[in-house]
Amino acid sequence: DADVTQTPRNRITKTGKRIMLECSQTKGHDRMYWYRQDPGLGLRLIYYSFDVKDINKGEISDGYSVSRQAQAKFSLSLESAIPNQTALYFCATGRPGDTEAFFGQGTRLTVV
Amino acid sequence: DQQVKQNSPSLRVQEGRISILNCDYTNSMFDYFLWYKKYPAEGPTFLISISSIKDKNEDGRFTVFLNKSAKHLSLHIVPSQPGDSAVYFCAASPILTQGAQKLVFGQGTRLTINP
Repeated sequence: DADVTQTPRNRITKTGKRIMLECSQTKGHDRMYWYRQDPGLGLRLIYYSFDVKDINKGEISDGYSVSRQAQAKFSLSLESAIPNQTALYFCATGRPGDTEAFFGQGTRLTVV
Repeated sequence: DQQVKQNSPSLRVQEGRISILNCDYTNSMFDYFLWYKKYPAEGPTFLISISSIKDKNEDGRFTVFLNKSAKHLSLHIVPSQPGDSAVYFCAASPILTQGAQKLVFGQGTRLTINP
């Protein structure tokens, strides 16, 4: 079983629709992150949370919002999806003082 | 502006030979560097890391070299095996106390090991 689980794994949605990507973890880590991967650009940080009451914008937060429902759950929302948000999205977790991030399997999102 | 660059999108190496993957960075505030490996349909998995106070870190077949003056690091895999075929991402982190998993990634290099 994966320690960091993302749902759904694949999603196709229409322009203008609201969509939520979910992430849950069993690693007991306080810190959670959302990254997106685009071809030729690597992974870029969207939002991160150091604990349940802490939410921070990353490099590319425009058009996204997040919710930290519990220590183990961190959701990413696209309020009104647009085609250039088509990408592979990864959730990650980590411990304070560590540098290593632990990634989920990814969600492939296509906006048509 | 790409702060971490992997200028080789792909690399092919014969099984048993050495694979060398390169990475350059521009931000002097980066003080910790990591390599991640990614198979298709899976998330990146941590491979090896190096602190800026070191110039070499070795773990089995994998060695990472850091040249701070050149702002360059490389990952050596020797001997290369077919299971090493994957996309490799170089990543950098600012000083440890500033949110350690806020990683800046390179574009990735697809390594193919030919049997």
